[in-house]
Amino acid sequence: GAGVSQSPSNKVTEKGKDVELRCDPISGHTALYWYRQSLGQGLEFLIYFQGNSAPDKSGLPSDRFSAERTGGSVSTLTIQRTQQEDSAVYLCASSLGEFRNWYQETQYFGPGTRLLVL
Amino acid sequence: AQKVTQAQTEISVVEKEDVTLDCVYETRDTTYYLFWYKQPPSGELVFLIRRNSFDEQNEISGRYSWNFQKSTSSFNFTITASQVVDSAVYFCALSELDSNYQLIWGAGTKLIIKP
Repeated sequence: GAGVSQSPSNKVTEKGKDVELRCDPISGHTALYWYRQSLGQGLEFLIYFQGNSAPDKSGLPSDRFSAERTGGSVSTLTIQRTQQEDSAVYLCASSLGEFRNWYQETQYFGPGTRLLVL
Repeated sequence: AQKVTQAQTEISVVEKEDVTLDCVYETRDTTYYLFWYKQPPSGELVFLIRRNSFDEQNEISGRYSWNFQKSTSSFNFTITASQVVDSAVYFCALSELDSNYQLIWGAGTKLIIKP
């Protein structure tokens, strides 16, 4: 079946502009995660959704970052007033939600959105 | 503190050699999960294996094998008869109930397989 998809694949924007990144999880997956990976670095957790709810938003780097999920499916990560340090690959993952606790789940990743802020 | 250590930053071997990627973790929980992911140059993270803390059986999948040892808090990954297509960055990760909805990731090991 289809995996996690993300759009756009690449985004170049000017400093100060807003951007929206989209994630389509695997069909039927109830949990969704956003991560950020800067060049040559590890993964930085941003936010987790169970259904449409995000139990903890403390991973978002600043109040310029926001995320929402609608219909228990598609999620959008919005970055307002982008800064050069926001340049990174933004990865989305989803998991089935078959277990009682999130930490038992296997996360499946999308191809990422490469964001470059000039 | 929760921590995952992949001490090998980069490994370079010649094709057909066997190679082992090390992963050492720290946790106070008795129930946790360990994962390995592969990130080829294309950038997409590919899931390889998930292991829970109560299952210490080693696992083999084709040329890949995993050695989980709770006594040394290690979950090492071996590729037998390596191939150029195995070239990638490999990440080890830990999840447990108290890690606040996030996987705890190692820094990754870049594996280079030379023809």
